[in-house]
Amino acid sequence: EDQVTQSPEALRLQEGESSSLNCSYTVSGLRGLFWYRQDPGKGPEFLFTLYSAGEEKEKERLKATLTKKESFLHITAPKPEDSATYLCAVQPPGGTSGSRLTFGEGTQLTVNP
Amino acid sequence: AAGVIQSPRHLIKEKRETATLKCYPIPRHDTVYWYQQGPGQDPQFLISFYEKMQSDKGSIPDRFSAQQFSDYHSELNMSSLELGDSALYFCASSLPNQPQHFGDGTRLSIL
Repeated sequence: EDQVTQSPEALRLQEGESSSLNCSYTVSGLRGLFWYRQDPGKGPEFLFTLYSAGEEKEKERLKATLTKKESFLHITAPKPEDSATYLCAVQPPGGTSGSRLTFGEGTQLTVNP
Repeated sequence: AAGVIQSPRHLIKEKRETATLKCYPIPRHDTVYWYQQGPGQDPQFLISFYEKMQSDKGSIPDRFSAQQFSDYHSELNMSSLELGDSALYFCASSLPNQPQHFGDGTRLSIL
């Protein structure tokens, strides 16, 4: 059974204080690792997909990296609007579309002005 | 850009009643997924459909059923509702082997 563990559970930063969120995974096979952002009362918003170890993706102040056992979401000079819960998810390989995502429990990020 | 549309946004039911949740995927997306998210928890996969056929099945109770219609919209039917079914229910859609995009969910409250 696929397992995803995120740390820390909660993170409080000052505006401009860079940090990283961790996602460790145990899977029998990996099609992709996904990062989502979720605001209260909203659905997860897609950020990145990573497919192979060594891959990196960037978007504004966010950068996601992937190794064979974990992924990091680096946040550079965060702003208060970056406050949200960040979810990591893995998807198993499969021949057809429709494979499930297995999520971690998320990191709740608060950025204070 | 068009997003995943879910209806209703809020639903209040009593124990043992039935409920139907609807999901309209992003145009041209042929795969639909359903997830359940309890308070303070991560989304748990229920079931998915690709081209109107069940593609993957997770921890969906036997009291629940779902289908995808010819226009690709999907409905989640829930019967004999229990207090523990109170949760946010998310629908997501995707193109084949592409990232899943989520709607804003239906908040189901069981009294």
